[in-house]
Amino acid sequence: DAGITQSPRHKVTETGTPVTLRCHQTENHRYMYWYRQDPGHGLRLIHYSYGVKDTDKGEVSDGYSVSRSKTEDFLLTLESATSSQTSVYFCAIGTYDTGELFFGEGSRLTVL
Amino acid sequence: EDKVVQSPLSLVVHEGDTVTLNCSYEVTNFRSLLWYKQEKKAPTFLFMLTSSGIEKKSGRLSSILDKKELFSILNITATQTGDSAVYLCAVRSGGGADGLTFGKGTHLIIQP
Repeated sequence: DAGITQSPRHKVTETGTPVTLRCHQTENHRYMYWYRQDPGHGLRLIHYSYGVKDTDKGEVSDGYSVSRSKTEDFLLTLESATSSQTSVYFCAIGTYDTGELFFGEGSRLTVL
Repeated sequence: EDKVVQSPLSLVVHEGDTVTLNCSYEVTNFRSLLWYKQEKKAPTFLFMLTSSGIEKKSGRLSSILDKKELFSILNITATQTGDSAVYLCAVRSGGGADGLTFGKGTHLIIQP
């Protein structure tokens, strides 16, 4: 078990509301990632972090922001949720040397 | 833009059969190719391949990489119902922390 927890695990919200998903790790990994997984698209990278306060955009970053104020926490924020952001969101942590990622259990978000 | 293509997208076989899953890729500055298994929840790591022609094995699963032809295969022999899952192929390219590029996955169903 890679010591990653995501919260909340399930959330239903309405269009236009802000949403924050939290990823917490106990492994002291430097690199953290947020992916979304949708049918027909597989896993797509939203944002990633390579250290405290160091973040960068991934393939599908529009409409999302992230913050990392501590090594152990990586937050994903939807400022104004839209129905197209209904998805399962996975947090992952990784090692620089191998590139192997360890995934959290996922957060299922439904935007009505 | 990095690209990972898996085939077939879905496959139904009977218990005891042998299956071969395919993954081709087009990436700049290839570093490694990884296989994950996903059963309902978080993807779990199977193999990481960096060198051509060297087979990685774990029980009934094995994988090999061809860096000249830019593909990898994942073999599962004597399949069991517990092998039913989505198998994800991912490639790490470039340097640093920019995560993995995933294919859409192969949904494998093993019928009793």
